[in-house]
Amino acid sequence: DTGVSQNPRHKITKRGQNVTFRCDPISEHNRLYWYRQTLGQGPEFLTYFQNEAQLEKSRLLSDRFSAERPKGSFSTLEIQRTEQGDSAMYLCASSFPDRGQWEQYFGPGTRLTVT
Amino acid sequence: QQQVKQSPQSLIVQKGGISIINCAYENTAFDYFPWYQQFPGKGPALLIAIRPDVSEKKEGRFTISFNKSAKQFSLHIMDSQPGDSATYFCAATYREYGGSQGNLIFGKGTKLSVKP
Repeated sequence: DTGVSQNPRHKITKRGQNVTFRCDPISEHNRLYWYRQTLGQGPEFLTYFQNEAQLEKSRLLSDRFSAERPKGSFSTLEIQRTEQGDSAMYLCASSFPDRGQWEQYFGPGTRLTVT
Repeated sequence: QQQVKQSPQSLIVQKGGISIINCAYENTAFDYFPWYQQFPGKGPALLIAIRPDVSEKKEGRFTISFNKSAKQFSLHIMDSQPGDSATYFCAATYREYGGSQGNLIFGKGTKLSVKP
């Protein structure tokens, strides 16, 4: 069990550029969540997948955000035309509710800075 | 509308003391209440969690107390150590149609400092 991994760990980009983050969940975990955390706040839900199906999206997930989990394993989160307000820590978590295990395990996050 | 309210915002405790962090929730559909510990620059790490069918759960130095009627739950850290200095988040989630859990809703966090 290697835990949830995220890449890159840090990303600095200029306003207007597109960025993509990757999350590799714990193997066999069929549910994958994306959260966003700004300084001094708790994580806020963005979206989640059950296997390859995207089941729910928060209203925080504007049209500039898109997430995929094409084969039900890793997931990507893309932000198009980045804005300074997108600067945050993007966190990925996974769980295996099919086994009655509700615990969500988080990765180390990707810190995005938009200049 | 903040569904999980956490207090205090910050807490200073002497080494060996008891740290107590409180959370209150509004949605009676919440069915699972975890606590997370986060160090600067790291992702949240699951500490301990409770379901509303029990009033207390203890794991090592960490205890969750749960009061369903008051819609409150708290984290107690016994014998607090400087290594416990971190930000702690309470969270809650609900049981979806089909029996699985929904997304986590977090409190705003408590920054704990344990003085040697």
